Amino acid sequence: TQLLEQSPQFLSIQEGENLTVYCNSSSVFSSLQWYRQEPGEGPVLLVTVVTGGEVKKLKRLTFQFGDARKDSSLHITAAQPGDTGLYLCASSYSGAGSYQLTFGKGTKLSVIP
Amino acid sequence: ETGVTQTPRHLVMGMTNKKSLKCEQHLGHNAMYWYKQSAKKPLELMFVYSLEERVENNSVPSRFSPECPNSSHLFLHLHTLQPEDSALYLCASSQDSQGRYSPLHFGNGTRLTVT
Repeated sequence: TQLLEQSPQFLSIQEGENLTVYCNSSSVFSSLQWYRQEPGEGPVLLVTVVTGGEVKKLKRLTFQFGDARKDSSLHITAAQPGDTGLYLCASSYSGAGSYQLTFGKGTKLSVIP
Repeated sequence: ETGVTQTPRHLVMGMTNKKSLKCEQHLGHNAMYWYKQSAKKPLELMFVYSLEERVENNSVPSRFSPECPNSSHLFLHLHTLQPEDSALYLCASSQDSQGRYSPLHFGNGTRLTVT
């Protein structure tokens, strides 16, 4: 089972600021998914990255997959209160009968108006 | 109605009670999952069902008993729980359980408190 380390654990910023959160592992990811979980709701998939060095953009969110596929980052430009939530990274590994997702503990982001 | 629906949203039960959590998915997916989300811990996978057959059981205590009567419905039967079982229980579905890139679609969870 891969251990995913996410940093920082908590982040509180003012509206309009930029931020970056990280997801790291000592093992190579086969693929990596980023989810956002808003208070009172379940996680929602933001993006899946597969290829080392890959960069994906989703409006103000930029996702990067490390060349060695052992780390990933999420950069948010001009953060808005609607970006508030728990950001989770997850990596797949092969279990006894299926591919399973291992999740990090997440980064809890608060964007203050 | 679309997506993954979980009921109830909140549940308070005593340690001697028996209750069930329900999950329904309207996405036509073949795999369904139960996850436990506790404070300061990563999401923990409990059970995986693929085409109504259980394919994973991650050392979950027997006081949690899953049931998958068809590919759209998943239950988690609870009995003689402990206070440390208090958590958010999330149901999820995916197209299949074999696809390593297959994303999970989560419900909004049941917040369980064991008193």
